[in-house]
Parts: sequence; structure tokens; C-alpha cells
Amino acid sequence: DTEVTQTPKHLVMGMTNKKSLKCEQHMGHRAMYWYKQKAKKPPELMFVYSYEKLSINESVPSRFSPECPNSSLLNLHLHALQPEDSALYLCASSQDPVSQGTHEQYFGPGTRLTVT
Amino acid sequence: DAKTTQPTSMDCAEGRAANLPCNHSTISGNEYVYWYRQIHSQGPQYIIHGLKNNETNEMASLIITEDRKSSTLILPHATLRDTAVYYCIVRVGPGNQFYFGTGTSLTVIP
Repeated sequence: DTEVTQTPKHLVMGMTNKKSLKCEQHMGHRAMYWYKQKAKKPPELMFVYSYEKLSINESVPSRFSPECPNSSLLNLHLHALQPEDSALYLCASSQDPVSQGTHEQYFGPGTRLTVT
Repeated sequence: DAKTTQPTSMDCAEGRAANLPCNHSTISGNEYVYWYRQIHSQGPQYIIHGLKNNETNEMASLIITEDRKSSTLILPHATLRDTAVYYCIVRVGPGNQFYFGTGTSLTVIP
């Protein structure tokens, strides 16, 4: 099973709302990632978790708050977003990032977020 | 942070080989080259990766130049379902970060 699942598929939220995006994988991967993708642009890395610990934050505003409750789950908590945060949010996972071997990332289908 | 350069768009006739180039002239010795594609804003799909040797799998072939400054993804017999945006990515450590280039929009023409 090489599936990464993301919920919800679509989300519309106001600028004062608090919402969360969820990502799940059951491949035993120990690295998980959040990306943001604006229309007609490539995905941009936001966060990297390695062994459930945040290892990389690409200078993302604090209104985005990631959380990794266990090795299979990754959340992205959203609060006080702006309309320009509307985008496709992609989750990915890969094997142990510090080991040898292949490290292809498996991507979920994404959550389409609209901030009104 | 993008480390790769790709043509914006390409066309390919159905049944012919599609050759997608990528320039990664600043690649370091231990950085891998990965190729992904993305169809209709779905999640990117892994195609192939390599370090310095040419690679082939059931989807494609990857040719990396000897100096590793560029590579070419080859889809041997393009079909209409291969129409997508193809991304050439350099993987950097220690967090296994992927930095996507701008990608090539490939259109396979009947």
C-alpha cells in the first residue's frame, strides 16, 4: 500500500476560523512533509517532520501550525488565514530520511483550501 | 531555492518518445535527481530517480550526463494519459527536502 490520504478534499474557511488538515500514511515512513501549491505554480515545501519531530520550517507564518501526533499522522492547524493562503495543500511521506536507500516521496491528493 | 531549470512546455505526438530536459548545473555530488509528474492538480506522482548512472523502470528512462549538470527524462511511447506537468527535482539533505523547479507542461497530441 503506497497511499497517502488527506482530509478533507475541499475546505472553505473564513479569516477568523480555526480549522485543521489531516494526513495519514501506513507505509511505516518516518518522514512527513507539508507543501503548499498555488495555481499554475510548483509545490513549495513548508514543513518537514522526521521521527515525529519538526526538523525543517521553511519560514512559514505562525498562522500555520503543524503537528505530528504519531508516525502515521500529520496535521496542519490553520488559524487567522488570509485570502492569499488559498491553495492546494499537499502532504507527502518518505522512508527514514537518514538511512541509505531510495527516498522517493509519496504524495497525497491534497486539500483544496479557500479562504474567504 | 529551485535548483533546476526546465522548458515551460513541450508537445509530443502520441506513440513517439517524449524527451524532457532538465538543467541542474549547481547539483552537489551527493544530491539525487528525481522526476515527478502532476496531472490535473492531483498529488505529484513519482516517476524515477538517479544519482549518476542512467536508470530505467517501467515508466521511463533517466539519462544523466557525465558531469551531472543535466538530465533527460524519456517516455518511450507517449500516450494521451502522459499529458501532465513534469517536475525535475534535486533532493537535498539532511531532511530529504524536495525543491521543485517550474516544471514542463507536456501535451501529447493524438
